[in-house]
Amino acid sequence: DTEVTQTPKHLVMGMTNKKSLKCEQHMGHRAMYWYKQKAKKPPELMFVYSYEKLSINESVPSRFSPECPNSSLLNLHLHALQPEDSALYLCASSQGWDNTEAFFGQGTRLTVV
Amino acid sequence: AQSVTQPDIHITVSEGASLELRCNYSYGATPYLFWYVQSPGQGLQLLLKYFSGDTLVQGIKGFEAEFKRSQSSFNLRKPSVHWSDAAEYFCAVVLKAAGNKLTFGGGTRVLVKP
Repeated sequence: DTEVTQTPKHLVMGMTNKKSLKCEQHMGHRAMYWYKQKAKKPPELMFVYSYEKLSINESVPSRFSPECPNSSLLNLHLHALQPEDSALYLCASSQGWDNTEAFFGQGTRLTVV
Repeated sequence: AQSVTQPDIHITVSEGASLELRCNYSYGATPYLFWYVQSPGQGLQLLLKYFSGDTLVQGIKGFEAEFKRSQSSFNLRKPSVHWSDAAEYFCAVVLKAAGNKLTFGGGTRVLVKP
């Protein structure tokens, strides 16, 4: 199994809503990542978890809250988002934090209205 | 400043023709080098990677890339393009001295003419 599975595929939420994005991998990878990708732009790193601990937060606003309940799961909790937060959110994993090969999920297309 | 650059924003190629996508990096040391492909609205798929050794790297889907240290380049090639190769292609680097972050170039959109 070389898949990273993200749910939901699409999400529309209001600016007062609370929602969560989910990511799961069963490759035994110990590093997991959240990226944000705006249209026609490359992915931008948001967070890195290594061995279930947050190791990098790229100065992401607190309305985005990551969580890593166990080595296979990664969540991104969303609250009070702005329309400019609409984007494709990508989850990725790699065997270790040396990032030798990152596997990406299909992404969640988020629209904030 | 440390960066990875893809000079071509768009490339249009006829089906069956060859394709070359350029990637240059500016780091003091040689980073790990990757090429990813992204179809519209989809995630990224790794085409190939270079860490060390043979400078000509074979990947999936008939792609290859050549690392040239003297030019700080890692260009992607395919001898004969198929319509299904139409996608966005990202060159990416990981540099241990820069915290092992996967840093992407701006991307090159490939259009394939019938």
